[in-house]
Amino acid sequence: AQKVTQAQTEISVVEKEDVTLDCVYETRDTTYYLFWYKQPPSGELVFLIRRNSFDEQNEISGRYSWNFQKSTSSFNFTITASQVVDSAVYFCALDPFSGGYNKLIFGAGTRLAVHP
Amino acid sequence: DAGVTQSPTHLIKTRGQQVTLRCSPKSGHDTVSWYQQALGQGPQFIFQYYEEEERQRGNFPDRFSGHQFPNYSSELNVNALLLGDSALYLCASSLRHMGALGNEQFFGPGTRLTVL
Repeated sequence: AQKVTQAQTEISVVEKEDVTLDCVYETRDTTYYLFWYKQPPSGELVFLIRRNSFDEQNEISGRYSWNFQKSTSSFNFTITASQVVDSAVYFCALDPFSGGYNKLIFGAGTRLAVHP
Repeated sequence: DAGVTQSPTHLIKTRGQQVTLRCSPKSGHDTVSWYQQALGQGPQFIFQYYEEEERQRGNFPDRFSGHQFPNYSSELNVNALLLGDSALYLCASSLRHMGALGNEQFFGPGTRLTVL
């Protein structure tokens, strides 16, 4: 089975707090990609990061960082010093190897509310 | 450079009717995928079109059909609408010629369909 689980439905923090969004995935494929997308109230999904299954190196981009651990099938996302503009729904997604055509399997999302 | 565009923005239909949603991919992209996002859920993959053919399909009934035109734009058709078809329908485009796995998909703003 291929599945993405985001156990945190909603998170509420105060500005400048650090926050980590959890993502656990399931796949039997050895080759796959993982993504994080942000969905602001406007509805459009905004790409944040892509990571392939052979690259477990953590990545930092400004206030954003990602921790990929194959041993625990997790791909967690941390926002440092959160800001009100970070308020959105965040989705983790799995792109399994599926016969040469990619499709995204999304988790249910985590709604992040950052309060001033 | 225009991103992914979708029309209409909102649509209200009654049960049993048929609906057509439209998508224009990002300039230079050749692959279009459709996703259904019910309220409070993550997007669910419907199908993907490449070279005017359906290449991959998610777990959706035959009431959901699509088409891709020579200019890469796409339509999603839903027949015999049910109340449960009410959702945000997202179109995503990508470029396949460099390989499919892990390709970043660019999403449009979606069409909000309400079935009464």
